[in-house]
Amino acid sequence: IAGITQAPTSQILAAGRRMTLRCTQDMRHNAMYWYRQDLGLGLRLIHYSNTAGTTGKGEVPDGYSVSRANTDDFPLTLASAVPSQTSVYFCASSLAVHGDEQFFGPGTRLTVL
Amino acid sequence: GQNIDQPTEMTATEGAIVQINCTYQTSGFNGLFWYQQHAGEAPTFLSYNVLDGLEEKGRFSSFLSRSKGYSYLLLKELQMKDSASYLCSCQDSNYQLIWGAGTKLIIKP
Repeated sequence: IAGITQAPTSQILAAGRRMTLRCTQDMRHNAMYWYRQDLGLGLRLIHYSNTAGTTGKGEVPDGYSVSRANTDDFPLTLASAVPSQTSVYFCASSLAVHGDEQFFGPGTRLTVL
Repeated sequence: GQNIDQPTEMTATEGAIVQINCTYQTSGFNGLFWYQQHAGEAPTFLSYNVLDGLEEKGRFSSFLSRSKGYSYLLLKELQMKDSASYLCSCQDSNYQLIWGAGTKLIIKP
């Protein structure tokens, strides 16, 4: 692994189903983030983790949950998907919280029908 | 509320110079970032300003005025590969990034 990876690349999901988006980084970064990107809108923070073992809510956390059991992995779970969760999801990481650039994964394109 | 404004779209000519403006209102300020995002790809970091003034990095420069809540990204000697969206983001008092919707830059030969 080089950098930050996400899986799956894309997914079509029926409404009401549970889905976990995976994110893994090998840069030993402390902070990790989940964003969604919708056409015409800026990236919106869903959840974040400043360090392993801790998580926090971002701007749009409803309907999503995360965990940070170790430094490398930061999965995002949709407990019961709804069509408004159709979006492109980006995972990102940074070495520190303050002033460090964020490195982004390639994204997961999720469609909820 | 928190808000970041930047133009939706700009067009420029190959070889020319273009300036992309960004104005922001955030609760607290811990720096301003510019990212580049090609269509269908992830954002990639371009620059970071936390103090007033100009930061130059090759063909790209970024300027910040904290008193005016204003920044710009200057791209010189434009190349076709510079066609992309440019995202302005500010780190607020909680160190979270607030993002503008992005400026789509179209480069014409």
